[in-house]
Amino acid sequence: DTEVTQTPKHLVMGMTNKKSLKCEQHMGHRAMYWYKQKAKKPPELMFVYSYEKLSINESVPSRFSPECPNSSLLNLHLHALQPEDSALYLCASSQLQGDRVYGYTFGSGTRLTVV
Amino acid sequence: GDSVTQMEGPVTLSEEAFLTINCTYTATGYPSLFWYVQYPGEGLQLLLKATKADDKGSNKGFEATYRKETTSFHLEKGSVQVSDSAVYFCALSREAQKLVFGQGTRLTINP
Repeated sequence: DTEVTQTPKHLVMGMTNKKSLKCEQHMGHRAMYWYKQKAKKPPELMFVYSYEKLSINESVPSRFSPECPNSSLLNLHLHALQPEDSALYLCASSQLQGDRVYGYTFGSGTRLTVV
Repeated sequence: GDSVTQMEGPVTLSEEAFLTINCTYTATGYPSLFWYVQYPGEGLQLLLKATKADDKGSNKGFEATYRKETTSFHLEKGSVQVSDSAVYFCALSREAQKLVFGQGTRLTINP
């Protein structure tokens, strides 16, 4: 299995809703990531988990809450989002060798629309 | 800080034309370099990578050589196809777990 699977593929939510994005990989990668991608822009790093611990938070607003229940799963909990949070949310995973990233693999993303 | 600069798009070519997308980087030390491709409505796929100077990454007819002296990692393909139409991102990794992207180059191939 060489894939990163994200669900759902599409999500429409209101500003008062609570929803979660899910990401799963079975490649034995010990680093997992959330990226946000706006239209016609490169992905922007949000969070990094290394060995199931949060290692990087790129000053993301608290309405985004990541969770890594185990080495294969990564969630992103969403609450009280704003319309400007509408974007493609990408999950990725990678092998770790020291501090270097190898074998970075992206999922197909969840396209989120906040209404 | 680390940065990646790609040639501005969009780039439009005819089928079977030669492709070059320029990429230069700024980073201390020896970053790993990557090209990713994103087809419409999809996530990013790793196209090729190089981890040290003078390495050549290649895949699906695409090639890029890690040039330390010019801090470049230009993407080339000898004969493009309509199916190569996509957005191409150059990226580097140096600091722990961070992937730094260029702005992306949108490529359109006309039959």
